[in-house]
Amino acid sequence: GAGVSQSPRYKVAKRGQDVALRCDPISGHVSLFWYQQALGQGPEFLTYFQNEAQLDKSGLPSDRFFAERPEGSVSTLKIQRTQQEDSAVYLCASSLLGVGNQPQHFGDGTRLSIL
Amino acid sequence: EDQVTQSPEALRLQEGESSSLNCSYTVSGLRGLFWYRQDPGKGPEFLFTLYSAGEEKEKERLKATLTKKESFLHITAPKPEDSATYLCAVQAGGGGSNYKLTFGKGTLLTVNP
Repeated sequence: GAGVSQSPRYKVAKRGQDVALRCDPISGHVSLFWYQQALGQGPEFLTYFQNEAQLDKSGLPSDRFFAERPEGSVSTLKIQRTQQEDSAVYLCASSLLGVGNQPQHFGDGTRLSIL
Repeated sequence: EDQVTQSPEALRLQEGESSSLNCSYTVSGLRGLFWYRQDPGKGPEFLFTLYSAGEEKEKERLKATLTKKESFLHITAPKPEDSATYLCAVQAGGGGSNYKLTFGKGTLLTVNP
């Protein structure tokens, strides 16, 4: 597709349930990022992939968060045993190359609400 | 730790009333400073990348400038469709994590007709 696609756009889950969020990056983009955006805040870095390799997961809030990109294209962010503080918009971004200062192009995000 | 502070938090302008948004930053070696526009319910849309002090970039009514400590986004004769949240982000050049963006909280711009 022309841009980064994320699904679902909205997800409501009960506390304790597991959720999976999907990201389809721009075709051919090497780098893929996940960010978390709380209401009224800027996005905060969660994790970074270069092709299928997860090179940085330092921003993941806890071991309940897990991300994968097994074939170097589509990525999934999984949250286990969700808690209310996990409610946020989860943004995926991709960039063409695997080096810095390339612009990152964002999808429209998944808005996650934990009841 | 890299930090980005944007001001003001919110700005209300009349159509045609030019103004500037500020982004102050501290970073261990700047690799790039990025401006994004974010509409409600949408992801950030890339506007500009600035790499070194003194650099300027323009797009329609927007012009971004960069010094060693801050960046400005100048909006000339804004229109209601320019209403959005404008986000500033930095990418550090030193160390290993020279790919992730550190964002400010954004400036919510409202342009009234």
